Amino acid sequence: DIQMTQSPSSLSASVGERVSITCRASQGISNSLGWYQQKPGKAPKLLVYAASRLESGVPSRFSGSGSGTDYSLTISSLQPEDFATYYCQQYYTTPLTFGGGTKVEIK
Amino acid sequence: GQLVQSGAEVKKPGASVKISCKTSSYTFTGYYMHWLRQAPGQGLEWMGRINPHNGDINSALKFQGHITMTRDTSISTAYLEISGLTSDDTALYFCARGAIFGLEWVPNVFDLWGQGTMVTVSS
Repeated sequence: DIQMTQSPSSLSASVGERVSITCRASQGISNSLGWYQQKPGKAPKLLVYAASRLESGVPSRFSGSGSGTDYSLTISSLQPEDFATYYCQQYYTTPLTFGGGTKVEIK
Repeated sequence: GQLVQSGAEVKKPGASVKISCKTSSYTFTGYYMHWLRQAPGQGLEWMGRINPHNGDINSALKFQGHITMTRDTSISTAYLEISGLTSDDTALYFCARGAIFGLEWVPNVFDLWGQGTMVTVSS
């Protein structure tokens, strides 16, 4: 199975700050990576697929980058509605696997 | 599109549970349907997927023999049955649709989710 290591596991930031989350795969996954946002008690929401393609309707302050084994999600200017937990997911091969999550909290 | 799951369940250890995921406003047979779970306070775990067009299944090794994924195309509904429940199966279970972006088929990315079904296993 491909292991996905996400960091940090949590962070505190202020509205307007730039925030980055990283995800490292245990082997190369050829940009087969998605990012999801989850708020408490809700289903996850797809933000980014293919490492850098923004899902329709997702604000442009979200961006994804990376290649090989290392990927990142950046929020250019954190908004109040962005406080949530973020997960990366590889879909290079089954079993599909997720990172452990990054909880973004208000400073 | 919309995915609406069945309601919360409380089961005793050793019992089985069957969760439904009713779809609407898209062609049910045109998209993979996945099942995932999230234990309380934990991350997301992929269980498996079914191709509603032909019933083809791919599941994670740890769940093989423990789960059954089926579908009823006449009512555009997918099902997940879990047998031999233990306390480790206490979790929020999600169905999620595999994505198609324009003409690009990306079946193992989840673009539409159900609201989740809480399954509690307790004696």
